Amino acid sequence: DGGITQSPKYLFRKEGQNVTLSCEQNLNHDAMYWYRQDPGQGLRLIYYSQIVNDFQKGDIAEGYSVSREKKESFPLTVTSAQKNPTAFYLCASSVTGGSFGYTFGSGTRLTVV
Amino acid sequence: DQQVKQNSPSLSVQEGRISILNCDYTNSMFDYFLWYKKYPAEGPTFLISISSIKDKNEDGRFTVFLNKSAKHLSLHIVPSQPGDSAVYFCAATPAGGTSYGKLTFGQGTILTVHP
Repeated sequence: DGGITQSPKYLFRKEGQNVTLSCEQNLNHDAMYWYRQDPGQGLRLIYYSQIVNDFQKGDIAEGYSVSREKKESFPLTVTSAQKNPTAFYLCASSVTGGSFGYTFGSGTRLTVV
Repeated sequence: DQQVKQNSPSLSVQEGRISILNCDYTNSMFDYFLWYKKYPAEGPTFLISISSIKDKNEDGRFTVFLNKSAKHLSLHIVPSQPGDSAVYFCAATPAGGTSYGKLTFGQGTILTVHP
C-alpha cells in the first residue's frame, strides 16, 4: 500500500536537546511538507521541498532544519533553538504543484520534558 | 497575516441536521480550495475540493460552495452523522507562481454532531 509514514508517534525531548522526526513516503511524490499544529492556530508550514536536494522555509522555520537527500525521505530536526517545540507535527506529500491536495502522515506528538 | 480564516472555532449540530462550516480568504491569487477532516492524533484526510471556475461541488453528503467575489467558501454536510465529529480545515492554493501547490490552512473548526 502506498502511503506516508511518520515516526515515532510520540517523542519526548529534554530541554536543550535536538530531536529528529522521520517522514517517509512511497507515493512517488515530488513535494514534501512539514506542518505544526497548535490548538487554535491550525496548521502552520515549517519547511517544504519540491524536489530532491532543495527545500524552502515556510512561515515558522526558526529553530527547525530539514534535509531532502532522497525523494522518499524528508526528516525534520527540532533544534534547541526552537523555544516552544511541544506540538503535533504533520508531514505531507503531494505531486508537483499539489493542486490535487496533500497526503498526510499520522503525525508525531513531541513533548518537551 | 492569516490569509485563510475559519472564524468559528467550534460548531455543535444535532444528528440528521445540516452542518455548515465557513471559511474566508484574503489572497485573490488563491485558485483552488480544499477541505480536510482530522480526528485527534491522526493526520488530516482529504474531503472535497473546488476550483475557482466552479461555484459548487458535490460529493455525497458533502457540498462545497465558493463565492469568489466575497472570498468565501462553505462546506455543507447533510445529513450530519456522529461520525462526522472532527476538526475541519479549509485550505487554499494559488494557480501558479512559486507558491503553486503550497496549501495555506485555516485554523480549523471543531464539529460535534450529537446523537
